[in-house]
Amino acid sequence: NAGVTQTPKFQVLKTGQSMTLQCAQDMNHEYMSWYRQDPGMGLRLIHYSVGAGITDQGEVPNGYNVSRSTTEDFPLRLLSAAPSQTSVYFCASTGTGAPSGANVLTFGAGSRLTVL
Amino acid sequence: DQQVKQNSPSLSVQEGRISILNCDYTNSMFDYFLWYKKYPAEGPTFLISISSIKDKNEDGRFTVFLNKSAKHLSLHIVPSQPGDSAVYFCAAVDSGGYQKVTFGTGTKLQVIP
Repeated sequence: NAGVTQTPKFQVLKTGQSMTLQCAQDMNHEYMSWYRQDPGMGLRLIHYSVGAGITDQGEVPNGYNVSRSTTEDFPLRLLSAAPSQTSVYFCASTGTGAPSGANVLTFGAGSRLTVL
Repeated sequence: DQQVKQNSPSLSVQEGRISILNCDYTNSMFDYFLWYKKYPAEGPTFLISISSIKDKNEDGRFTVFLNKSAKHLSLHIVPSQPGDSAVYFCAAVDSGGYQKVTFGTGTKLQVIP
């Protein structure tokens, strides 16, 4: 059982380039989300989705785009990369309904992005 | 506006002693609190949770305490082991809100053998 798979693990971009971080889960989870981790800032929610065709913004959505065409996949697109988007990105999912104490998030291993 | 705060960025504890990690929150609508553990180059993994209707939850060496009046929770690890060395994130959920999980900034725990 693979769980949550993120690709690529590492990426270096130049300012202004675009790219997509891939996230796939094989647990039939309805809820998927993207976080970024920065020193001293913890994990901050970028976008989330409660099911195929439904997405919403989190705490820091600017500069990022998402779509959810299937239950399994939730790609994160950087439209025009900026140095401020240098970070470690985590995809996370959970089962039916909203995250809770009983419905915990399962995280991928992360994607480290550097924007020069 | 940091709704979940972990004021200690790091903590060092001797093996076998108790580790106490603290977390404060400001949003009274949070009704679940969780702790996640993160090793380098890995994603966070769930450790333990507590509902707002309880004040204590225990799972083996790990116990979480919740003080709602103070908006404070803590994670106790007894006894601490070198394998517990990791970053610990406190998180909170408002189940009736926007289905978001709010994380703290993390505390890096080092257990010294």
